[in-house]
Amino acid sequence: EEQLVESGGGLVQPGGSLRLSCAASGFTFSSYWMTWVRQAPGKGLEWVASIKQDGSGKYYVDSVKGRFTISRDNAKNSLFLQMNNLRADDTAVYYCATDPGRGYDPWGQGTLVTVSS
Amino acid sequence: DIQMTQSPSTLSASVGDRVTITCRASQSISSWLAWYQQKSGKAPKLLIYKASNLESGVPSRFSGSESGTEFTLTISSLQPDDFATYYCQQYNSYPRTFGQGTKVEIK
Repeated sequence: EEQLVESGGGLVQPGGSLRLSCAASGFTFSSYWMTWVRQAPGKGLEWVASIKQDGSGKYYVDSVKGRFTISRDNAKNSLFLQMNNLRADDTAVYYCATDPGRGYDPWGQGTLVTVSS
Repeated sequence: DIQMTQSPSTLSASVGDRVTITCRASQSISSWLAWYQQKSGKAPKLLIYKASNLESGVPSRFSGSESGTEFTLTISSLQPDDFATYYCQQYNSYPRTFGQGTKVEIK
């Protein structure tokens, strides 16, 4: 069964950092683009970042450029999101998702990031 | 950036109703559009890809269509399990963008 499990969320002060992880299993992780999508409390979905199979291509939403870094370790079937200089408006549930080129599927269960003093 | 305008934002319907949700792209995205269903507290689930292709395991009462830059998700006969929020998303170009969502409520 294809599965994604996020971890690393929590409460952090404005200006702080967090590193999210996403562990993949049940499929050939290295064959797919991977993506992070977030959802602020009570709000809609927002694409955050995507990374190519070998890590050579990366894309970010403008609001996180220069602060967030997406990366992956294909040997460990893992996806990461390093988040620096966090702001209150980064507060959201962060989902990792597989991008097989026909929309995102599967998705992880999400991990909550709360930025507050 | 491509803007995705989804309507309505809320829809009240009864079991058995035919339901239609519309998503309009601000420019051509060819057919690179997906529809997702999200239930409260859960991750989104892919329903439709490439505008009209049903994802494996999704009931056939769900269908998608397109006309130029306007895309439609139709539920032919609403079932109790279908009360949820639905999102469209373009994957023609970066940044990927989602519609604002449509909440389907019980009438």
